[in-house]
Amino acid sequence: DQQVKQNSPSLSVQEGRISILNCDYTNSMFDYFLWYKKYPAEGPTFLISISSIKDKNEDGRFTVFLNKSAKHLSLHIVPSQPGDSAVYFCGAAGTASKLTFGTGTRLQVTL
Amino acid sequence: NAGVMQNPRHLVRRRGQEARLRCSPMKGHSHVYWYRQLPEEGLKFMVYLQKENIIDESGMPKERFSAEFPKEGPSILRIQQVVRGDSAAYFCASSRGQPTYEQYFGPGTRLTVT
Repeated sequence: DQQVKQNSPSLSVQEGRISILNCDYTNSMFDYFLWYKKYPAEGPTFLISISSIKDKNEDGRFTVFLNKSAKHLSLHIVPSQPGDSAVYFCGAAGTASKLTFGTGTRLQVTL
Repeated sequence: NAGVMQNPRHLVRRRGQEARLRCSPMKGHSHVYWYRQLPEEGLKFMVYLQKENIIDESGMPKERFSAEFPKEGPSILRIQQVVRGDSAAYFCASSRGQPTYEQYFGPGTRLTVT
């Protein structure tokens, strides 16, 4: 039972354009959401998070939007840069603190 | 300013042997989490520990897997009698605990069972 879903396994975007990565969840008990970036042979790196009491959080080029009624969140990266090429994992947490991750979206930013 | 440290980075074991994976959390962090990433899959939660306590082991296989986080020293994930299906990347993460959920990950241990 996949409680967090990233339905796009890959995404290709031109440098300078906006990258939009999507994530859906089914468990209404989740109240905190995080995005991680992962390069090959490295551990995931925390990127940005959002609490369920908010619908938007911004940090530099990265913005996360949360639509609780649709149980959907998205990560916007603008402008996209070649160094953003990585696998992005969406994670969700409830009161137990453990994170439930999606299967990841591989972002390729092309020149 | 060391981050989460894991060793070894790569571990090769024959079927039936034991694997021991170590994790030292970030300074000031007292919560440790273990995750497993199978090939072509996402990260799956295994166990959540605080010093000397297992808080949540709902993701741990019922047999052969155990974890500890002693008062002194690193957290250990132990896999007894490894099988080929145990081949995966094992990631440790640490956090200060609630109310922050941000977990900081180590580089992982890639276990290969031959």
